Amino acid sequence: AQSVAQPEDQVNVAEGNPLTVKCTYSVSGNPYLFWYVQYPNRGLQFLLKYITGDNLVKGSYGFEAEFNKSQTSFHLKKPSALVSDSALYFCAVKAFSGGYNKLIFGAGTRLAVHP
Amino acid sequence: DVKVTQSSRYLVKRTGEKVFLECVQDMDHENMFWYRQDPGLGLRLIYFSYDVKMKEKGDIPEGYSVSREKKERFSLILESASTNQTSMYLCASSPDGRNTEAFFGQGTRLTVV
Repeated sequence: AQSVAQPEDQVNVAEGNPLTVKCTYSVSGNPYLFWYVQYPNRGLQFLLKYITGDNLVKGSYGFEAEFNKSQTSFHLKKPSALVSDSALYFCAVKAFSGGYNKLIFGAGTRLAVHP
Repeated sequence: DVKVTQSSRYLVKRTGEKVFLECVQDMDHENMFWYRQDPGLGLRLIYFSYDVKMKEKGDIPEGYSVSREKKERFSLILESASTNQTSMYLCASSPDGRNTEAFFGQGTRLTVV
């Protein structure tokens, strides 16, 4: 079955420290991977995506993600966290299923950055 | 900028009512989606559409229907609202292609009492 796992419900980090939000996936064929962020009572905003090429992908707001094919992972990272980064983060994979391309989301990880 | 607009931010309806959630996108995207978001479950796909008047069931279509009469508009219909349909509903649109990201509306928080 095609799926996305975000093993941590919540990640806590101090402001200024590096942060990592983990994501692993299971999909047949080449993976097309995405990260989204959701601020309270808002829709999802696109952060970055991996399609092909360089395993380190850079995105919005200083975020980056590292694609690791052997570990089937696509972890989200930021070198120095800000309090304003506190939000809900979703990893997603686009999978071909039932004749259509569909976005399959993980359960989400809440990031809390403390001053 | 792509804009996906949902007609209501907050909605309170009574059990048994027929509920319409409207979504409009302004970027001429072929694909539109309705998701439901619940804590700990992430986003679950209810229905999607790849063309006008075309619809496909997602993972949890029971109790819902959709309508896409125009390319820019995708409506989600709760035929007879129930309390277990209390949730955050998110509409999204995307261009064709496996490498394209989806753009989301701001969400509608529906409470069924």
